[in-house]
Amino acid sequence: FMLTQPHSVSESPGKTVTISCTRSSGSIASNYVQWYQQRPGSAPTTVIYEDNQRHSGVPDRFSGSIDSSSNSASLTISGLRTEDEADYYCQSYDNNNVVFGGGTKLTVL
Amino acid sequence: QVQLVQSGAEVKKPGASVKVSCKASGFTFTNYFFHWVRQAPGQGLEWMGVINANGGTTNYAQKFQGRVSMTRDTSTDTVYMDLSSLRSNDTAVYYCSSGYTFGDFDYWGQGTLVTVSS
Repeated sequence: FMLTQPHSVSESPGKTVTISCTRSSGSIASNYVQWYQQRPGSAPTTVIYEDNQRHSGVPDRFSGSIDSSSNSASLTISGLRTEDEADYYCQSYDNNNVVFGGGTKLTVL
Repeated sequence: QVQLVQSGAEVKKPGASVKVSCKASGFTFTNYFFHWVRQAPGQGLEWMGVINANGGTTNYAQKFQGRVSMTRDTSTDTVYMDLSSLRSNDTAVYYCSSGYTFGDFDYWGQGTLVTVSS
């Protein structure tokens, strides 16, 4: 299966943005979805695990959800800050395979 | 605190092999899976495979089967990724990541740049 994300999104500081991640086949609910943040020149860090659990130290401005009707997952960031500007990747898996989305570049302008 | 510390940058010629290490600390090594993920310049994340530190069983992405080998050393809490028959499009940053279950990537190493060039 594949995970499809928008190539880029942009929003103003203080606003809310949602990044989608659509699973091409199989149910989005069948395996957990994770989200990672990657700032330029840095390794990825985990933001959300198991669909909607915030990783240690991640502020509650970040939230994750899944929607079976659209077979997609979403990462929502509220109260946008300039430091949220980064690439975001969704990830899921099936029996023996891990799949990453293509990544979404978030610009906070 | 949890740390994954990877070995340093490598420059290899086409056809050669590279071995990247990832030393874990701050958690019980054998309770975790260790994934390897790579990122070519300007590209996204690509999963290469995983090793279960408890027992050493591996699962490789189909793309890399026959060319990649992942091993672990429980005496030093270190995992290794060997990639053979290198070509120029293997030039990438290689990351290790630990997870408590197969699908998790809880913590990440700092990355190791592997450059393949003649």
